[in-house]
Amino acid sequence: KAGVTQTPRYLIKTRGQQVTLSCSPISGHRSVSWYQQTPGQGLQFLFEYFSETQRNKGNFPGRFSGRQFSNSRSEMNVSTLELGDSALYLCASSLAGTGSTGELFFGEGSRLTVL
Amino acid sequence: AQSVAQPEDQVNVAEGNPLTVKCTYSVSGNPYLFWYVQYPNRGLQFLLKYITGDNLVKGSYGFEAEFNKSQTSFHLKKPSALVSDSALYFCAVRDLNYGGATNKLIFGTGTLLAVQP
Repeated sequence: KAGVTQTPRYLIKTRGQQVTLSCSPISGHRSVSWYQQTPGQGLQFLFEYFSETQRNKGNFPGRFSGRQFSNSRSEMNVSTLELGDSALYLCASSLAGTGSTGELFFGEGSRLTVL
Repeated sequence: AQSVAQPEDQVNVAEGNPLTVKCTYSVSGNPYLFWYVQYPNRGLQFLLKYITGDNLVKGSYGFEAEFNKSQTSFHLKKPSALVSDSALYFCAVRDLNYGGATNKLIFGTGTLLAVQP
């Protein structure tokens, strides 16, 4: 069974631009979460989607947004990029909602460099 | 607030020796605990989890973890380390602030395991 697929794997942007990252979860998984990983801050939770609804959001500015489609695929968008947005963005999928044991299955990540 | 702590930034061990990567947690209920491993420029791979039941949990690649409620610890162990085990290891706890209605995990800062040949 195919794993979590994230595209693009690498990208370079300049300050002020915007970026959209895509994530296709494991087939049958309806929950998709996004995390930002940086050397200084570690793994920080961005948001979680379940059945096209955002049900949890981390402490990030409004420049960070996301959505989930009816096929469970998800995108996240970062507008007005800043140098500090340079990071590895990880998408993770999980089987179900309330009552699930909650292990996440991660993609390989999208490495964003902001110049 | 719920949290996990990994007190060691790096653990060095010789190949063939047992290894332990430490994790302590702080939660206001029964914890759901996880270990993940990350190889360079890759995503995180799930190793094992503790939800309930036996305190010794077995996972992938020969790893196991021991849940200790009195010490609020969930240390990762392996009887005999391999050079290929060298990677970054993360302990995580499920965020219970939402009554179970989330899969959000709170991660520790990670421990770099270096296995010398």
